Amino acid sequence: DVKVTQSSRYLVKRTGEKVFLECVQDMDHENMFWYRQDPGLGLRLIYFSYDVKMKEKGDIPEGYSVSREKKERFSLILESASTNQTSMYLCASSEAGKETQYFGPGTRLLVL
Amino acid sequence: AQSVTQPDIHITVSEGASLELRCNYSYGATPYLFWYVQSPGQGLQLLLKYFSGDTLVQGIKGFEAEFKRSQSSFNLRKPAVHWSDAAEYFCAVGAGNSGGYQKVTFGIGTKLQVIP
Repeated sequence: DVKVTQSSRYLVKRTGEKVFLECVQDMDHENMFWYRQDPGLGLRLIYFSYDVKMKEKGDIPEGYSVSREKKERFSLILESASTNQTSMYLCASSEAGKETQYFGPGTRLLVL
Repeated sequence: AQSVTQPDIHITVSEGASLELRCNYSYGATPYLFWYVQSPGQGLQLLLKYFSGDTLVQGIKGFEAEFKRSQSSFNLRKPAVHWSDAAEYFCAVGAGNSGGYQKVTFGIGTKLQVIP
């Protein structure tokens, strides 16, 4: 079974802090994704990566950056956290050319 | 660009009753279609998917979905709901691109409540 893990289940940060969300997958998948999930808005894609050091903007990249230095790890960075970034963040991975995505348990981030 | 509509934000059913969750998609070609389930506080788990072939697909936990091209629909069904099915359900549509990345667009979700 594919396993996608996220470094924290819950996180509380202050406005202006730099925040790192980590995601690790153990199935040698090429593609990795970061989504945010908000009530009434579903899942929205922030960034994705199809290879090490490669990244593409998703639908809502503003205020976020990502890093993929190793194939199994994909980090989401909030350079200066703001209250409107309070959300559930979901990481996912998939094989190259395949549509099925496998999700981690999510990180619920609260920015005060 | 593809899109997904889940017209029901919240549905309540009695335990043992049948269930149908609606999903309509918009996409120019033959879509890849998915249903995911999210239990409270958890990530998304794949229930079933349709890529081609038989339009009635079976998934885990006793769920099935039927692809109807003429109606642009991919509704999820279960003949008898169990209390453990209470969760949020997401329909999604996928489309390939030349870069090998399959863009997947998710609906806003339908929250299912099961009453005894």
